[in-house]
Amino acid sequence: GAVVSQHPSWVICKSGTSVKIECRSLDFQATTMFWYRQFPKQSLMLMATSNEGSKATYEQGVEKDKFLINHASLTLSTLTVTSAHPEDSSFYICSASGLAGGPPYNEQFFGPGTRLTVL
Amino acid sequence: DQQVKQNSPSLSVQEGRISILNCDYTNSMFDYFLWYKKYPAEGPTFLISISSIKDKNEDGRFTVFLNKSAKHLSLHIVPSQPGDSAVYFCAASAGGADGLTFGKGTHLIIQP
Repeated sequence: GAVVSQHPSWVICKSGTSVKIECRSLDFQATTMFWYRQFPKQSLMLMATSNEGSKATYEQGVEKDKFLINHASLTLSTLTVTSAHPEDSSFYICSASGLAGGPPYNEQFFGPGTRLTVL
Repeated sequence: DQQVKQNSPSLSVQEGRISILNCDYTNSMFDYFLWYKKYPAEGPTFLISISSIKDKNEDGRFTVFLNKSAKHLSLHIVPSQPGDSAVYFCAASAGGADGLTFGKGTHLIIQP
């Protein structure tokens, strides 16, 4: 099956610094990548949708200047949390979709997630 | 405003019996529904899905039922096995290349 990786799997940083999280589709080309965030005992919340070569579409309430998303190639998307604060501590999960122009439902594969802790 | 609701935070079932996980939704634009299994500190794993044009989809031990008029779906696992113990998320999509809207999850515990 399709494999999606994330790096790093966990990161601890100081408040005010920026952190970059990578999401890679290892064996397929991902036309669309999604970024989700999960707080403890909560559901996964969609943050943004990114298509290769174009600007990401952010969900309401998600600051695009704080969460920078780059989908520069069909196998890599990055999420940069800028000027991180303790309230940004969360579990960030990406998913990748490989179907171009069609419903991606069954083709949305999730990465293992990145645990971010901001001190 | 939770558009996808899983009202049971946890469910305990004896091994070999049927596990039934429930999910309700409010957005009538949702036309595709999925169930994911998730372990702590891992990404969700796709289990089974159903389109709004169907009312049942079966895959091995897993069956998903959809009641559109009630905006309700359920996941049946039979027989339940110890390895089924995990958090199960219900998710929905409104079509196109949209991201998924997830419920809060139900922690399924299979007791030997």
